[in-house]
Amino acid sequence: AQSVTQLDSQVPVFEEAPVELRCNYSSSVSVYLFWYVQYPNQGLQLLLKYLSGSTLVKGINGFEAEFNKSQTSFHLRKPSVHISDTAEYFCAVKWVKAGTYKYIFGTGTRLKVLA
Amino acid sequence: DSGVTQTPKHLITATGQRVTLRCSPRSGDLSVYWYQQSLDQGLQFLIQYYNGEERAKGNILERFSAQQFPDLHSELNLSSLELGDSALYFCASSPDRINGYTFGSGTRLTVV
Repeated sequence: AQSVTQLDSQVPVFEEAPVELRCNYSSSVSVYLFWYVQYPNQGLQLLLKYLSGSTLVKGINGFEAEFNKSQTSFHLRKPSVHISDTAEYFCAVKWVKAGTYKYIFGTGTRLKVLA
Repeated sequence: DSGVTQTPKHLITATGQRVTLRCSPRSGDLSVYWYQQSLDQGLQFLIQYYNGEERAKGNILERFSAQQFPDLHSELNLSSLELGDSALYFCASSPDRINGYTFGSGTRLTVV
């Protein structure tokens, strides 16, 4: 069965430091990959997506992610975080096969940026 | 404003009661998805509608039901409410099968 794993439930990091939030999924056949951010008391907002083409995708707020097919990973990175990046981040994977698809969200990683 | 509108934002009700949550998708999006988010269960997919028809079912309880109307807005009906139904309920919409979802700001349901 397909699955999405976000191993880190919480990631504390100091302001202006780099951060990487990890996402692994179970199979790389026909996948579309997404990262969402959820600020407190808000809905999820799409940060970036990989549909095809370049494996390095850039999103909003200075975030980027790299699709690694061999490692079935789609880690999210930011070179320098701000206090305002404190939020929960969800990885999501959409598998498409024979006209049907399955969309699964990871359990989320809570990023806390410290002053 | 994401373009997906959910009402009400907050709802407090007693056990055993029935409530209706409403969602208007982003203009042009035919698909509507309902999710439940709680601290212990995380983000759980409930159900999807596409242009008025049910397309996929997730972990939706029999006490819950949904529908999508001709104007594409959707309603999620929760009945015989239990304390454990307290959660954030999100609606999302998408234009097609490939792209990501646009989420509403959610309805926070508290069952007392």
